[in-house]
Amino acid sequence: EVQLVESGGGEVQPGESLRLSCVASGFTFSRAWMHWVRQTPGKGLVWVARILTDGSSPIYADSVKGRFTISRDNAKSTLYLQMNSLRVEDTAIYFCARDVDGLDFWGRGTLVSVSS
Amino acid sequence: DVVVTQSPLSLVVTLGQSASISCRSSQSLVFSNGDTYLGWFHQRPGQSPRRLIYKVSNRDSGVPDRFSGSGAGTAFTLKISGVEAEDVGTYYCMQGTAPFIFGQGTKLEIK
Repeated sequence: EVQLVESGGGEVQPGESLRLSCVASGFTFSRAWMHWVRQTPGKGLVWVARILTDGSSPIYADSVKGRFTISRDNAKSTLYLQMNSLRVEDTAIYFCARDVDGLDFWGRGTLVSVSS
Repeated sequence: DVVVTQSPLSLVVTLGQSASISCRSSQSLVFSNGDTYLGWFHQRPGQSPRRLIYKVSNRDSGVPDRFSGSGAGTAFTLKISGVEAEDVGTYYCMQGTAPFIFGQGTKLEIK
């Protein structure tokens, strides 16, 4: 059974940092492109970042470019999102998702709340 | 920049009736390999999204056959033939190649 379990969310103040993790199981993690997507409670889905199988060629939404870094550890089947210089508008549920012909499987998400 | 527009944003349907959701892109979504990575997702409140359709018209495993996707180029449609109570929630289309863009979402309710 495919599973993606996110963790690392929490409440922080503007300007602070957080690192999200997503542990994968039930499939060969090292063969899958992976994404982070976020959703402000009650709002729509917004793509954040994508990384290829070997960790190369990360791409980001303009809203997080230069502040967020996506990475992965294939030996640990884990995807990461390092979030620096957090802003109030980064408050959202963050989902990791596997990419097989598009985002085919999603985790349950972890809530990040940025507030002063 | 590519813009993806869904319509309608809200849909109220009687059980058993059909429903259609439109997704239009400002640019062709045909990828360099000839495939079109347009997907449809369903999200119930408090849950993560579940993909229903990939590459325009392919149903994901376990998705009931009352869900169908169609379209090409810049115009796509998700059709639900015979809405059931469990179909309530919000539906999103998504361009599955960079730039990855979601439609605004269509909230489906039962009358």
